[in-house]
Amino acid sequence: QKEVEQNSGPLSVPEGAIASLNCTYSDRGSQSFFWYRQYSGKSPELIMFIYSNGDKEDGRFTAQLNKASQYVSLLIRDSQPSDSATYLCAVNVAGANNLFFGTGTRLTVIP
Amino acid sequence: EPEVTQTPSHQVTQMGQEVILRCVPISNHLYFYWYRQILGQKVEFLVSFYNNEISEKSEIFDDQFSVERPDGSNFTLKIRSTKLEDSAMYFCASSEAPLQGPEAFFGQGTRLTVV
Repeated sequence: QKEVEQNSGPLSVPEGAIASLNCTYSDRGSQSFFWYRQYSGKSPELIMFIYSNGDKEDGRFTAQLNKASQYVSLLIRDSQPSDSATYLCAVNVAGANNLFFGTGTRLTVIP
Repeated sequence: EPEVTQTPSHQVTQMGQEVILRCVPISNHLYFYWYRQILGQKVEFLVSFYNNEISEKSEIFDDQFSVERPDGSNFTLKIRSTKLEDSAMYFCASSEAPLQGPEAFFGQGTRLTVV
């Protein structure tokens, strides 16, 4: 069973702070990693994807991947109240054409 | 910006009835997916579809489920005899290439309520 684990939260940060979201995965064959944002009652919206070890930055978002530790994280700098949502970590395993999702971490940014 | 569109946005059906959920993937995408999310739970993969056939399916996707691309634009999910536990949000997604490459884009979802 392929597992993707996330702390369900809620994670609360003040506006302007850095929010750090973490995800671990069980299958060492995982090769692509995705962070989605989901507002309540809405569909997942892709924020970032990462394939290689290290950091990948896109605006206020930085994804970090450590395959040896089977760990992927998302940092949100200068958090805004509009960032308040559930953040889903999703993993694609080599040879499979689907995504395994974690249960998501609910983030609240306090004005 | 191109998007995946799903209809209807909300469907209420009686247990045992058949339902068809419809999706129009992004036009140049070749890979199509259905996922579902039971309220308060994780997003779960159901099926992927490429070149007019199922490429992968999960344990959830049993004989009660089927998918079809009836024309050049639509992609449908049929549930033959709905159960109460089929109540969920169903998301269609599409991607240009297999997920080892570019990402999948999700539609806005169809909320299915089985009563």
